[in-house]
Amino acid sequence: DSGVTQTPKHLITATGQRVTLRCSPRSGDLSVYWYQQSLDQGLQFLIQYYNGEERAKGNILERFSAQQFPDLHSELNLSSLELGDSALYFCASSVGFAGYNEQFFGPGTRLTVL
Amino acid sequence: GENVEQHPSTLSVQEGDSAVIKCTYSDSASNYFPWYKQELGKGPQLIIDIRSNVGEKKDQRIAVTLNKTAKHFSLHITETQPEDSAVYFCAAFNNNAGNMLTFGGGTRLMVKP
Repeated sequence: DSGVTQTPKHLITATGQRVTLRCSPRSGDLSVYWYQQSLDQGLQFLIQYYNGEERAKGNILERFSAQQFPDLHSELNLSSLELGDSALYFCASSVGFAGYNEQFFGPGTRLTVL
Repeated sequence: GENVEQHPSTLSVQEGDSAVIKCTYSDSASNYFPWYKQELGKGPQLIIDIRSNVGEKKDQRIAVTLNKTAKHFSLHITETQPEDSAVYFCAAFNNNAGNMLTFGGGTRLMVKP
């Protein structure tokens, strides 16, 4: 158990809908990262927050947004969902903001868009 | 930006044999290279990492080597066991490339008892 929690575990929704994925980092970790893992794309970095502020941005679509709250939990919002958004979404946390700090991954949320 | 290629995509070995997974990266400024293991139904977990000022690092049955000149690094697992069966990801970090890890495509390792 990494200490990172993600909810829900599974999410099934329809095209055009909006969903929110939630992540609670390990106790003491200030950084939260979001990744998308699809069958043909591997692990793709989406976005990083550090202590409430956006720190780094990857290939995140404009339909996707995230935020980190004062209690350090984070939410990833996915809107106008398309079939291609079906994937595993992982949250990871680390102590510092630098990418070379060990990242601890949560169990993931499996999103299925029908 | 950084690009990480990983080979092979699948690898099947007999229990007790060695397994080697190779990765190449494109940006010579990359300076940190972690390896993650992902078991079925779980998130990736760091198993070993290496920084650019080191050529090799070992941890029990696992070792990683880095060739900065050729821009490639490899994971070596000796005396493989069935519990080593998982998907392994390499990654590269480059502070100039947006403070993020760039992952390889993954290698599915199957260890046959």
